[in-house]
Amino acid sequence: GAVVSQHPSWVICKSGTSVKIECRSLDFQATTMFWYRQFPKQSLMLMATSNEGSKATYEQGVEKDKFLINHASLTLSTLTVTSAHPEDSSFYICSAPNGGGHTDTQYFGPGTRLTVL
Amino acid sequence: AQKVTQVQTEISVVEKEDVTLDCVYETRDTTYYLFWYKQPPSGELVFLIRRNSFDEQNEISGRYSWNFQKSTSSFNFTITASQVVDSAVYFCALIRGSSYKLIFGSGTRLLVRP
Repeated sequence: GAVVSQHPSWVICKSGTSVKIECRSLDFQATTMFWYRQFPKQSLMLMATSNEGSKATYEQGVEKDKFLINHASLTLSTLTVTSAHPEDSSFYICSAPNGGGHTDTQYFGPGTRLTVL
Repeated sequence: AQKVTQVQTEISVVEKEDVTLDCVYETRDTTYYLFWYKQPPSGELVFLIRRNSFDEQNEISGRYSWNFQKSTSSFNFTITASQVVDSAVYFCALIRGSSYKLIFGSGTRLLVRP
């Protein structure tokens, strides 16, 4: 199956700092990647769609200036949480459809656990 | 509206028991795709199966089997002879043919006790 990696797997930072999370498709190209957020014992919430070569599409209620997304290449998307605060602490997961189509199966990264002190 | 419902929040079984996880979906689209994912304690979502709306054929993969019934809008997942390693949260999800969003159910936490 397709492999998606994320780095770092966990990060602890002080309030007010920015944190960058990388999502890579290792064995396939992805013009589109997705970023999700998951709170403890809850389902996944789509935050934004990352598009290679163009701006990301954010879901309603997600602050664009807070969560910066850059899709630098066909295998890399980054999520930067700017001026992080304790309420941004969460589990962030990325996914990428293997096949390029929006209805193709999405493969998920291992997730990044962010803790903001 | 599009929606995926997993009414079972938590299920606890003893090893070697069979267990069925229920999934009911809602969509007005005639073309859609259904998925099951497993999320073990490590957190990574593992893809298990994909089913297209025009293919109601049930599927078996080892101890796993899936029953897709359009008449009842259900896509249930059965684990036969459960094992401790099956303990995880299982998510049912839907993509409409006209969209890109993967709509998740709330998940079912399965605990298999030795």
